[in-house]
Amino acid sequence: KQEVTQIPAALSVPEGENLVLNCSFTDSAIYNLQWFRQDPGKGLTSLLLIQSSQREQTSGRLNASLDKSSGRSTLYIAASQPGDSATYLCAVPRRRTDNNNDMRFGAGTRLTVKP
Amino acid sequence: NAGVTQTPKFQVLKTGQSMTLQCAQDMNHEYMSWYRQDPGMGLRLIHYSVGAGITDQGEVPNGYNVSRSTTEDFPLRLLSAAPSQTSVYFCASSYRETGNTIYFGEGSWLTVV
Repeated sequence: KQEVTQIPAALSVPEGENLVLNCSFTDSAIYNLQWFRQDPGKGLTSLLLIQSSQREQTSGRLNASLDKSSGRSTLYIAASQPGDSATYLCAVPRRRTDNNNDMRFGAGTRLTVKP
Repeated sequence: NAGVTQTPKFQVLKTGQSMTLQCAQDMNHEYMSWYRQDPGMGLRLIHYSVGAGITDQGEVPNGYNVSRSTTEDFPLRLLSAAPSQTSVYFCASSYRETGNTIYFGEGSWLTVV
């Protein structure tokens, strides 16, 4: 059974700092990994999707890396801003199949960026 | 573009009552799913569907029922509400195959007293 762990559960940083969020998963036979953002009281928004053949994906100040062999992914946020304050969740396919989009989620890291 | 629309946003139920959470998407996605989110536990999959007329159970299906009569709609029914079903419920949709971007609704906050 695939398990996803995110450490730390919460993180508080001053504005402008670069930071790294961690995600680990137990079954390395994944097709992809996704990072999501969740604002308080809102749904999840997809940030980055890394296919199993890729090592990283970038979108603006966000960079996600994937190391399947070690069962780890990191989300790097450069020059953090107060608007980055949210909960960040990673997710991997729940089963070893490519014909549906079931995901297993980590519990998330709650990020606070202080002005 | 409406995306994924969930109703109601908030609901309070008494133990034993039944209700339906509505979910609709306008992106012609084959895949739709329901998750519940509890503090410190992330999202857990309740039920999912890979197309009209096809549904299957996720990780925590007990006490819930779904149907998929159209591509657009995927309602979640609570058969006899229990306090353990107090949670935030999210509907999601995407194209069927893994690796497609998943779109979430805004969530439905359910309290069972």
